[in-house]
Amino acid sequence: DAKTTQPTSMDCAEGRAANLPCNHSTISGNEYVYWYRQIHSQGPQYIIHGLKNNETNEMASLIITEDRKSSTLILPHATLRDTAVYYCIVARSNYQLIWGAGTKLIIKP
Amino acid sequence: EAQVTQNPRYLITVTGKKLTVTCSQNMNHEYMSWYRQDPGLGLRQIYYSMNVEVTDKGDVPEGYKVSRKEKRNFPLILESPSPNQTSLYFCASSLSVSSYNEQFFGPGTRLTVL
Repeated sequence: DAKTTQPTSMDCAEGRAANLPCNHSTISGNEYVYWYRQIHSQGPQYIIHGLKNNETNEMASLIITEDRKSSTLILPHATLRDTAVYYCIVARSNYQLIWGAGTKLIIKP
Repeated sequence: EAQVTQNPRYLITVTGKKLTVTCSQNMNHEYMSWYRQDPGLGLRQIYYSMNVEVTDKGDVPEGYKVSRKEKRNFPLILESPSPNQTSLYFCASSLSVSSYNEQFFGPGTRLTVL
């Protein structure tokens, strides 16, 4: 199974772009990269996913390198409410997600 | 409002006393799943269900049972709880098997087994 590696924690100033890196060097060609976040101990919230191309939605952008070995989640204008643990996940082919420990993102005023 | 609900939200029980945590979704989703989360760790999948009467084991199924008799409900059963099952539990659902990875999560159930 493909595993992901993320920094344990990061800080970002309010109003700035938050860039969260993820390494998934063993990802297979047909495996998607997913991002979720968890605010305090609430249920995780889906953010975005992608396979090869960069993706953007109302919450964030996902940049995937050409070799697909790493990706970056971008929150364009971080607010205090974006403080959360962010999980980078590679989806298995048998309907399961592999969750790591995630990155704790702290947005500072 | 589209949502996944779990009950109870908090539960303290004793070793060996059977309990059930209910999960219900009102979005007509096919795929449902149970996870547990322990301090400092990501979520680990306990069981999942691709549709009514179809369930399968996740990564940590030992000590748990599930059933899927109706599309909206997916209860988690602990027949004989033990202290190592003290954890934060999440139920999740998604529209279909093909979109299993865009999951909607419930608010969580914090279980303590003494």
